[in-house]
Amino acid sequence: AQTVTQSQPEMSVQEAETVTLSCTYDTSESDYYLFWYKQPPSRQMILVIRQEAYKQQNATENRFSVNFQKAAKSFSLKISDSQLGDAAMYFCAPGYTDKLIFGTGTRLQVFP
Amino acid sequence: KAGVTQTPRYLIKTRGQQVTLSCSPISGHRSVSWYQQTPGQGLQFLFEYFSETQRNKGNFPGRFSGRQFSNSRSEMNVSTLELGDSALYLCASSLTTGATDTQYFGPGTRLTVL
Repeated sequence: AQTVTQSQPEMSVQEAETVTLSCTYDTSESDYYLFWYKQPPSRQMILVIRQEAYKQQNATENRFSVNFQKAAKSFSLKISDSQLGDAAMYFCAPGYTDKLIFGTGTRLQVFP
Repeated sequence: KAGVTQTPRYLIKTRGQQVTLSCSPISGHRSVSWYQQTPGQGLQFLFEYFSETQRNKGNFPGRFSGRQFSNSRSEMNVSTLELGDSALYLCASSLTTGATDTQYFGPGTRLTVL
């Protein structure tokens, strides 16, 4: 079975600091992609970053970067220079040939 | 480009009724996927349509159905509503079928079943 584990239900960070959200997954698929989405209070699901599983280089998108360890099936998200607008639920989601499988989410609070 | 739109944004129904939700994908996107989000079960995949054909289906009862039109707009129908169907229903569009392509989400339809 394909599973996703986000072991941190809640995290907090001070403005301008760095925080890392963890995600592990289990799959026997060879063709997949990995996504992080954020869901602010508006409930709109917003793409944060995407990683192709066949690429060894970690994806980066401005202040957001991932640490992808394929053998360990680990896909963590690092947010640098945190901003108040980063406060949201963050979902890790492996994408397979048929569907996205979402983790349970990590609620990130950002303090001034 | 306009994003994914969903109508209506909010719905209140009673048990036993049926409901239809609509999703318009980003222009040029041919795949529409539907997800249900509840506090208890989290985000779960319902089904995906690509070029008017259902390509993939999640583990939901037959009361949940959908279709896609030639302009890629999709509708989702839930018949004989149950209290447990209260949820946020999200649709997402992408260029190609499956979830290895980036999916862009709409704002969701909040369904409340009384």
